[in-house]
Amino acid sequence: DGGITQSPKYLFRKEGQNVTLSCEQNLNHDAMYWYRQDPGQGLRLIYYSQIVNDFQKGDIAEGYSVSREKKESFPLTVTSAQKNPTAFYLCASRQTGALNQPQHFGDGTRLSIL
Amino acid sequence: KNEVEQSPQNLTAQEGEFITINCSYSVGISALHWLQQHPGGGIVSLFMLSSGKKKHGRLIATINIQEKHSSLHITASHPRDSAVYICAGPLADTDKLIFGTGTRLQVFP
Repeated sequence: DGGITQSPKYLFRKEGQNVTLSCEQNLNHDAMYWYRQDPGQGLRLIYYSQIVNDFQKGDIAEGYSVSREKKESFPLTVTSAQKNPTAFYLCASRQTGALNQPQHFGDGTRLSIL
Repeated sequence: KNEVEQSPQNLTAQEGEFITINCSYSVGISALHWLQQHPGGGIVSLFMLSSGKKKHGRLIATINIQEKHSSLHITASHPRDSAVYICAGPLADTDKLIFGTGTRLQVFP
């Protein structure tokens, strides 16, 4: 079955460490997204990529980095510059080229600081 | 003020009740999505609509583009409907989704 796989489901990080969250999709979608979810707030866009080897900053990109070397993969690195990284992170993908195609979401990764 | 607002924030119901969740938005969006987030965190897309009404099983979504308002209805609610329901819309001519803060629904047997 096609879908989006995020790993790990739970992740713990020591202060000062970088950590990378994995997102893989086998839907053959061109566009991929990373969102952050905090209690009481709507999802906020961190980074997105509409095509391989290209990506754009979202609303809260500071302290994060991404790469898009392969169509199916869009890893997110939470760097030590991100001062408040504890949150739930969701990856999504979407087929472009047609109006209003829905985004498909993964099951998320919950990141906590030790 | 959020660009996409949902009400109520929390909702409890007895099994079998009719549920309505509302979504109002102040930005220009081309379509509106209703999403369901289960306790584990994963999100499932329920509906995407740009006009009128859509129905899927016990779920009905309506939208009034002129009034910038959408509703999600659940008929004959069941405990398995307990989840957070989120509305979201892509800003016109962009790839960016704007999300509401969600409505947490609990249905008790």
